[in-house]
Amino acid sequence: DTGVSQNPRHKITKRGQNVTFRCDPISEHNRLYWYRQTLGQGPEFLTYFQNEAQLEKSRLLSDRFSAERPKGSFSTLEIQRTEQGDSAMYLCASSLEWGAGAEAFFGQGTRLTVV
Amino acid sequence: SQQGEEDPQALSIQEGENATMNCSYKTSINNLQWYRQNSGRGLVHLILIRSNEREKHSGRLRVTLDTSKKSSSLLITASRAADTASYFCATADSGAGSYQLTFGKGTKLSVIP
Repeated sequence: DTGVSQNPRHKITKRGQNVTFRCDPISEHNRLYWYRQTLGQGPEFLTYFQNEAQLEKSRLLSDRFSAERPKGSFSTLEIQRTEQGDSAMYLCASSLEWGAGAEAFFGQGTRLTVV
Repeated sequence: SQQGEEDPQALSIQEGENATMNCSYKTSINNLQWYRQNSGRGLVHLILIRSNEREKHSGRLRVTLDTSKKSSSLLITASRAADTASYFCATADSGAGSYQLTFGKGTKLSVIP
């Protein structure tokens, strides 16, 4: 399968624990995005990488959130000291280019439940 | 924050009928895209329309864009039960240095067999 892959698909964690999600983009895509989606809402932008450089971060990305993309390949999103409000679907997407507005390919998402 | 609103929030039609969803947005855009999301799954890209285009077709999909009114519509003709999903519009702002897609809240479409 050459699509965007996200792991794990589901994560249940206790409040205060740290969690890490992984995203493997389509191999030739140099652009990678993280979004968060809560029930009944559209996805909300969190952060964007071009290769290994993190070029844009939303104010939604508090100090407890950190994202990396070492070597410009896979990416990880870590949430420290999770809160119940962090419960959401975390979506990763990749694309070949922007500006001209190439389509973004989304993974199936990681559903986080904080109890 | 979310860019705009899809209208209606929910739509229920019979198989074979046409479904029309509308999207309004607030800023100047480079392009507007429509995505479909089946329940609990990721998003699938449907169609992209650039700011200098007014109408675009792809199979049973027809998208229009009116930049003067900051609105777009998605028409699905001859709907099928498999079209049941949530549909989101997403805008790519024309402002320099912004790479994000900004999504609306979506229209939940139910196609009854």
